[in-house]
Amino acid sequence: GAGVSQSPSNKVTEKGKDVELRCDPISGHTALYWYRQSLGQGLEFLIYFQGNSAPDKSGLPSDRFSAERTGGSVSTLTIQRTQQEDSAVYLCASSSQRGPTQYFGPGTRLTVL
Amino acid sequence: DQQVKQNSPSLSVQEGRISILNCDYTNSMFDYFLWYKKYPAEGPTFLISISSIKDKNEDGRFTVFLNKSAKHLSLHIVPSQPGDSAVYFCAASALGNNDMRFGAGTRLTVKP
Repeated sequence: GAGVSQSPSNKVTEKGKDVELRCDPISGHTALYWYRQSLGQGLEFLIYFQGNSAPDKSGLPSDRFSAERTGGSVSTLTIQRTQQEDSAVYLCASSSQRGPTQYFGPGTRLTVL
Repeated sequence: DQQVKQNSPSLSVQEGRISILNCDYTNSMFDYFLWYKKYPAEGPTFLISISSIKDKNEDGRFTVFLNKSAKHLSLHIVPSQPGDSAVYFCAASALGNNDMRFGAGTRLTVKP
């Protein structure tokens, strides 16, 4: 079956521009997560959606970051007025209600010039 | 506040020998632990997990050990193969809570 997909795979943008990153979770998975991995760093939790509950936004680093999950499926992570320190690989994962194991997409590599 | 720590950023072992990757956690509410493997340019893939009711879980060449009193877990790979070369992430969560915390990862290199 189809896994988690993310688009684009690579994004190069200029400082100050807005970017949108997309995640398609595994069908039927109720939980969706966004992480980022900066160069040489581990996975940094950003935001978590579970069903129709209010998202856990505790990991978002600033108010320039926001995320939506429409219809309980596709999610979009938006970064406004990008900065060079936003350069990282942004990973999306999903999991089912039956267990905490998360399944990751391939990530989007964001480069802010 | 890093609740899951992998203190060794890298590990190098010879093919055929044992690889031992370590992970420590601070949150006593964690009761489910996972190891993920990540190749370059790919997302992490689930490798093996263990719940707090066990102290060992084995799957082929991979074994995870959990020491709850020490808040420590380890992943053993034996025998190590060159294809095991990757970054390994330790992760922890509390059952019933899908919020998972990851360590910084350990880069394993298995030399032929």
